[in-house]
Amino acid sequence: DQQVKQNSPSLSVQEGRISILNCDYTNSMFDYFLWYKKYPAEGPTFLISISSIKDKNEDGRFTVFLNKSAKHLSLHIVPSQPGDSAVYFCAATGVANAGGTSYGKLTFGQGTILTVHP
Amino acid sequence: EADIYQTPRYLVIGTGKKITLECSQTMGHDKMYWYQQDPGMELHLIHYSYGVNSTEKGDLSSESTVSRIRTEHFPLTLESARPSHTSQYLCASSVPSGITGTGELFFGEGSRLTVL
Repeated sequence: DQQVKQNSPSLSVQEGRISILNCDYTNSMFDYFLWYKKYPAEGPTFLISISSIKDKNEDGRFTVFLNKSAKHLSLHIVPSQPGDSAVYFCAATGVANAGGTSYGKLTFGQGTILTVHP
Repeated sequence: EADIYQTPRYLVIGTGKKITLECSQTMGHDKMYWYQQDPGMELHLIHYSYGVNSTEKGDLSSESTVSRIRTEHFPLTLESARPSHTSQYLCASSVPSGITGTGELFFGEGSRLTVL
């Protein structure tokens, strides 16, 4: 049972336009969400996160929106640049993953391959 | 910038061989993790550790084993590799969430294992 889903395997965007990557989750115990970026042959790197007490978090060109009622989050990249081309993973954690301790046990989606064309 | 290192980056071996994937971090993080990822698939947690002498199995069953004798070192071992073990193995570490407020993971560059 996949608790975090990224239903779009790939997304192609023109440079300068907006990229919107979507993520859905099913576990209502998740209360912290993260986006990671991964280049080929490298490990994922943390991009941006959002707590369930917020509905928006912004960091430069990257904004994450959270809709708790729909159990949906999205990552917006504006403007998109060719260097943004990578695989983007959505991840979630919370009480369900904490094991009674604290965060760290992330549940990941399958990833979305973003290609930004010059 | 995160300082977490994995070796080897790439490994091709024959069936039945014993292999150890090394993971070291210089950040003093208590928590360390091993994730397994196949192409186009999500990362699956296979092992984690919350400190020295603490190891737990993750959500995805794995025939590999881990040890945590030192804070900075979290090796993963396969006693007898099989083609089904072919995958990318990603090591990660994190600070407790109470310190950073986030607890995000810092990943190594991964070890891509191919078993023939």
